[in-house]
Parts: sequence; C-alpha cells; structure tokens
Amino acid sequence: YELTQPPSVSVSPGQTARITCSSDDLPKQLVHWYQQKPGQAPVLVIYKDTERPSGIPERFSGSDSGTTVTLIISGVQAEDEADYYCLSADISGSYGLFGGGTKLTVL
Amino acid sequence: EVQLVQSGAEVKRSGDALRISCKASGYTFSNYWIGWVRQMPGKGLEWMGIIYPGDSDTKYSPSFQGQVTISADKSINTAFLQWSSLKASDSAMYYCARHIFALGSYYGDVWGKGTTVNVSS
Repeated sequence: YELTQPPSVSVSPGQTARITCSSDDLPKQLVHWYQQKPGQAPVLVIYKDTERPSGIPERFSGSDSGTTVTLIISGVQAEDEADYYCLSADISGSYGLFGGGTKLTVL
Repeated sequence: EVQLVQSGAEVKRSGDALRISCKASGYTFSNYWIGWVRQMPGKGLEWMGIIYPGDSDTKYSPSFQGQVTISADKSINTAFLQWSSLKASDSAMYYCARHIFALGSYYGDVWGKGTTVNVSS
C-alpha cells in the first residue's frame, strides 16, 4: 500500500499550487496534510480531506476526487515554501502511512 | 494549551537499549491516541505506531512491528518509544504526536519538537 506524491512542485508567488496524493485505496480512507519547514516539526494544515485547523490560513484547502486527493494553496506566498506530506491509513485502519513528500518551491 | 514535551537528544552505540519520552499536558491524556513518527536525515516522515493510554491498545506500522515498543504511563501523562538493541540505521529524528481517530484513519494534530537519536556503529 503506497501513497504517491510528486517529488516537487514549483509556482510563482500569487499563483495556485496543487499537490496530489494518490492511491487505489483513497476512496475508502481519509487523507490529512502536513507542512514541514526545515528544522521544524510538521504542522497539520488539512485534516479529513478538506477540513482546515484553526490558525491555518484560508488559502490552504483540500479536494477529494476518487483515488486522488489534492492540497490546494491559493495565492502562494514565499512563506509557504516547505515540504508537504499526505497521511492516510491502510484499508483496515490498522496503521497510518505517509506519502513520500512534495517539496514546494516558490520561485 | 495542549503541549507535548519530548526528552533530549541521545547519543548511543549499536546494541544499546534506549527509551525516549513524550510528556503531555493541557488535555486528558487517557482519552487520545498518542504516537511516534520517524524522520531519517534528509528523508520523509514515517508513521511508526500509536497507543491509546486509556486501555493501552497499540497499533504498529508493519515496518516497525517488532522493532520498537510503544508504551504509556497514565500516572505521569507520558508516552515512550523503546528499543532493546539499537542499530546505526535507527539514527533519526523522532516526533511524538497526539492523534485523532477519524473514520478509520488517524492524524496527529499536536506535535512535539522531536528527539534526535544518533547511534554509532
């Protein structure tokens, strides 16, 4: 069981970044997203596919389309440059699994 | 305020035993899953496992089952990650995180700052 993310995504400031997470089992499991900046612990930015924790800017959102879930960052800012990871679970809910991570570069 | 405070950096040798800790505050420790995530140098996040302190129910990733032991002590609101015999490949940053159960999956909503483990061969 694997969660597949693109290794890198690049966007200019103000553009929209889309980071995908795909797996055949995703229609049956929820996905959560983390942002990690160098030397820092991960921060939850989206949970249960589309929910945003308090304190996370509105430009972060999530969408779900069958076997692919997408983290969307609208109006990207320089401070959004970071690694992003999706997290889900195996089909039985016995353990968690992270995607390989995507490095977002703000040009 | 919900907080997770992890124990300090460790420098060990291959074959040593080790237990690192994660002390929780600001919430009812027994009522939430708490778990561990590994990050090897320059690599991605790896979900290791979680424990429910209320009844000690524990779930491990197949990659870590049998390699580590996750435990918790409700009396001191602390979770532990333990190795009986370290390997050089265990060198990594280890994060603890409070986990929420959501319809068959778990996610960490509050994280500790991490504990670095360095194992020399």
